[in-house]
Amino acid sequence: DTAVSQTPKYLVTQMGNDKSIKCEQNLGHDTMYWYKQDSKKFLKIMFSYNNKELIINETVPNRFSPKSPDKAHLNLHINSLELGDSAVYFCASSQGLAYFYEQYFGPGTRLTVT
Amino acid sequence: GQQLNQSPQSMFIQEGEDVSMNCTSSSIFNTWLWYKQDPGEGPVLLIALYKAGELTSNGRLTAQFGITRKDSFLNISASIPSDVGIYFCAGQVSVGGADGLTFGKGTHLIIQP
Repeated sequence: DTAVSQTPKYLVTQMGNDKSIKCEQNLGHDTMYWYKQDSKKFLKIMFSYNNKELIINETVPNRFSPKSPDKAHLNLHINSLELGDSAVYFCASSQGLAYFYEQYFGPGTRLTVT
Repeated sequence: GQQLNQSPQSMFIQEGEDVSMNCTSSSIFNTWLWYKQDPGEGPVLLIALYKAGELTSNGRLTAQFGITRKDSFLNISASIPSDVGIYFCAGQVSVGGADGLTFGKGTHLIIQP
């Protein structure tokens, strides 16, 4: 069974469009995250949700809006897509927020904006 | 913000050789983690370290949490072709979790048969 899953795996779209990426975890974890990996493979935290509550919102444009309908799901909606949004987006989850809870990553969604 | 300096950026080694990579930071972390990422996949957790000075092994992998809490290393012994990939160090600070993981920029491991 896949622990953290994301859909779609690949997403190609044009500038100005609105798109969503879905994430689900079946680990029973309370905390979920979105990370962005750029073309140089650098991973950076975007958002963190704990029990459906937003905890971290790094300096991410407000065109990015995470939504957590329940503890097992954290979706990422992106409005007015720009070329610079092209990247691989990873969802992750952990049992809790604290540093001693390990984070497990999904397979990633490669977003290409043309 | 916090930064992790990971080195080397890439390594070209022969199969069977031992590998060593490390991460340093100017600030303290309460946990150090090592992940491996294969092409087209997400990072997979290899080793997690929670105490300064802790030395932990996972098969041919050994990692240590530096005593100053500002560094960590990962060693791979007797490398095999499936060890190819990108290795990331990551750290986290807060007990309350008001931060995510801070990642290093990765070490690309390439193994020549």
